[in-house]
Amino acid sequence: DAMVIQNPRYQVTQFGKPVTLSCSQTLNHNVMYWYQQKSSQAPKLLFHYYDKDFNNEADTPDNFQSRRPNTSFCFLDIRSPGLGDAAMYLCATSRKQFLVEKLFFGSGTQLSVL
Amino acid sequence: QQQVKQSPQSLIVQKGGISIINCAYENTAFDYFPWYQQFPGKGPALLIAIRPDVSEKKEGRFTISFNKSAKQFSLHIMDSQPGDSATYFCAAQGQGGKLIFGQGTELSVKP
Repeated sequence: DAMVIQNPRYQVTQFGKPVTLSCSQTLNHNVMYWYQQKSSQAPKLLFHYYDKDFNNEADTPDNFQSRRPNTSFCFLDIRSPGLGDAAMYLCATSRKQFLVEKLFFGSGTQLSVL
Repeated sequence: QQQVKQSPQSLIVQKGGISIINCAYENTAFDYFPWYQQFPGKGPALLIAIRPDVSEKKEGRFTISFNKSAKQFSLHIMDSQPGDSATYFCAAQGQGGKLIFGQGTELSVKP
């Protein structure tokens, strides 16, 4: 089945140690998103790619970066994780950038910062 | 103006009962209102969605009621089952296609 796959499922890192989360998709969708979801909260959009065009949310800290080397893969880099960055990170895709009708989410990566 | 307010925060319903979750928005430019269902340890999945040109949409046991003048919409789950226990997020599509999520409702259906 076509899907959005996130690895790893759980990631533990140390305070200040760079970490990379990965996402791949077999849906061939143009748009890929990264969301941060803290416990009992709504997903918060960090940024998205439309093809190779990067769109950052205004309130996303500089500590968060992203790369999309090709249509299928997208990476989230956290340059210096703080304790407040512990969260579930969700990757999602959509066929369109505007008039989005459905987001397809991966199962997420649960990040712990020690 | 970009917020979507969702209530209640948590809901406990007996098996076979009706679960009702409400959302309200302020931005009249929103034109698409989906509901996402999230099970623990999983990403959200689209459950049902509505556009403001209709007042109700039904898919199986799930119904969205939409009140454009009041800027409110709600999810009704009929004959609620323990397997419906999950967190439900309403959302609204804002400027540029960006989805604005509500705060979520944790539903527990007791057998």
